[in-house]
Amino acid sequence: AQKITQTQPGMFVQEKEAVTLDCTYDTSDQSYGLFWYKQPSSGEMIFLIYQGSYDEQNATEGRYSLNFQKARKSANLVISASQLGDSAMYFCAMREQNYGGSQGNLIFGKGTKLSVKP
Amino acid sequence: SAVISQKPSRDICQRGTSLTIQCQVDSQVTMMFWYRQQPGQSLTLIATANQGSEATYESGFVIDKFPISRPNLTFSTLTVSNMSPEDSSIYLCSIRTGGDSPLHFGNGTRLTVT
Repeated sequence: AQKITQTQPGMFVQEKEAVTLDCTYDTSDQSYGLFWYKQPSSGEMIFLIYQGSYDEQNATEGRYSLNFQKARKSANLVISASQLGDSAMYFCAMREQNYGGSQGNLIFGKGTKLSVKP
Repeated sequence: SAVISQKPSRDICQRGTSLTIQCQVDSQVTMMFWYRQQPGQSLTLIATANQGSEATYESGFVIDKFPISRPNLTFSTLTVSNMSPEDSSIYLCSIRTGGDSPLHFGNGTRLTVT
């Protein structure tokens, strides 16, 4: 079973509006971390925001916020006031406390392609 | 945060040849990883590069195909050996500095095999 599920292959949003990118995860660990990355067409991976499983408040970083619903195992990314430069692939990722032999590794979802319309 | 320099940024290679990708970090880091991103796909971990010992490979990846070196805490190389068109991907070096820190990535190497 997939550990990270992003059900929206593509999304469109009008410039200056807010958009929510969905992410659900599956883990039996009590301690884990959730991350969102942006990948523009240039290919680089840009870290956006982090949420720890024990964090009681939703993480925020500028225009990015993470809507963390632990019981539902969802970690949706909210981008407020979308800009043309937000057009990119967005990946949700998870770090489990003890993922095999690769501690510190992230497991990535398949991504959502966001297109911002002027 | 640490600066990660990865090179080459892109290359076009012929089938059957090998390419070595370099990853240089401007500070010492404990954990360094190599990922592959096939066209239109997500990132898949190839291996964890261990300083002073053999890399730890994920299922589906073997040392003969993807030999990795990690001579010190600031540098690593990934070689893609005996390439075929199926190896056409973006290869990304990443580091983790510890705790709940995120992975930070180099700019990637966009490889095309003809």
